[in-house]
Amino acid sequence: DQQVKQNSPSLSVQEGRISILNCDYTNSMFDYFLWYKKYPAEGPTFLISISSIKDKNEDGRFTVFLNKSAKHLSLHIVPSQPGDSAVYFCAASLSGSARQLTFGSGTQLTVLP
Amino acid sequence: SQTIHQWPATLVQPVGSPLSLECTVEGTSNPNLYWYRQAAGRGLQLLFYSVGIGQISSEVPQNLSASRPQDRQFILSSKKLLLSDSGFYLCAWRGDSDTEAFFGQGTRLTVV
Repeated sequence: DQQVKQNSPSLSVQEGRISILNCDYTNSMFDYFLWYKKYPAEGPTFLISISSIKDKNEDGRFTVFLNKSAKHLSLHIVPSQPGDSAVYFCAASLSGSARQLTFGSGTQLTVLP
Repeated sequence: SQTIHQWPATLVQPVGSPLSLECTVEGTSNPNLYWYRQAAGRGLQLLFYSVGIGQISSEVPQNLSASRPQDRQFILSSKKLLLSDSGFYLCAWRGDSDTEAFFGQGTRLTVV
């Protein structure tokens, strides 16, 4: 059973427009959510995160929104740039000593020039 | 600053051969360590995690094993590789007070 789902395997956006990447989760005990960006043949790099006590976190062009009642989070990139083209993974974690991350299946974002 | 090293970057192994992937972390003590796998076209699947030396937790039954012989060393092994073991293997670490995990560059394993 997938606890974290990214239902869109791919997304294409024009340069300068907004990219919206979506993620749903099923485990209401998750208390921290993260977005990672991954280029081919590289490890994922951390992008932005949000605690379950917040509903929005912003860092430059990146904003993450959390809707706990809907068990849904989204990543907004404004404005989108060609260098943003990558696979984006959302992840969730539970409190505990290991705090391992549960990842979604990823969304390939392509920003068209 | 902390760094994570993972090697080799690519590996081609025949079916039935053994496997040993190594991951080391520098600049931190007692990190939580993780092995993930990304199969072709799929997300990141947690394979093993470790909160200390000799402490290994397995998330999924499989043909692989993990060991943590030293505080900052995490090893992924197999005695006999299967075709289905092909994938992109990622090591990651996180400090107790950190919320995000930091990943190595990954190992592309192809079993032929």
